[in-house]
Amino acid sequence: DAKTTQPNSMESNEEEPVHLPCNHSTISGTDYIHWYRQLPSQGPEYVIHGLTSNVNNRMASLAIAEDRKSSTLILHRATLRDAAVYYCILRAIQGAQKLVFGQGTRLTINP
Amino acid sequence: EPEVTQTPSHQVTQMGQEVILRCVPISNHLYFYWYRQILGQKVEFLVSFYNNEISEKSEIFDDQFSVERPDGSNFTLKIRSTKLEDSAMYFCASSWDISYGEQYFGPGTRLTVT
Repeated sequence: DAKTTQPNSMESNEEEPVHLPCNHSTISGTDYIHWYRQLPSQGPEYVIHGLTSNVNNRMASLAIAEDRKSSTLILHRATLRDAAVYYCILRAIQGAQKLVFGQGTRLTINP
Repeated sequence: EPEVTQTPSHQVTQMGQEVILRCVPISNHLYFYWYRQILGQKVEFLVSFYNNEISEKSEIFDDQFSVERPDGSNFTLKIRSTKLEDSAMYFCASSWDISYGEQYFGPGTRLTVT
């Protein structure tokens, strides 16, 4: 499974944008970049995924570097509810169905 | 919005006993998964299930574990003879797509083995 590297923790203030980085230098051409998050005492929750182009949805934006060796999850206006562990996960377009979770980034939001 | 449900929310059992954890995946989903998370550790994949058979399993998923979709709506994880180290949160997930589709997770069952 291709490996991702994320900071252990980050802190931000409510109503400010948050940029969560992920490095994946060994990514292959057929790997999708997925982001999930886990709120306290809950199951993981899908956030967004992309392959090459930047992606937007109602929860967040995903900015993917041109060489695809890194990506950034952007929360445009953080709320207290966004405090969670955020996981950056690579998934091949075919083959393994499982999600391989790392330690993720623990995001703290200050009021 | 459709969601994955799991029962019970908390199960306490004695070492050596059998437990069955239950999940109701989202109704039009085709792929089903179990993951576990030991307190303070990473979420770990256990098994994936499609078309009434296991499609992938991890090293954790040994002969003590089994999965079943008994009636077209429930998806169960059975642990035949629980050990202390089986204590964890167990999450069920489902997806409609095999690879790049998102997986939807349930709220989890906390299993405590004493």
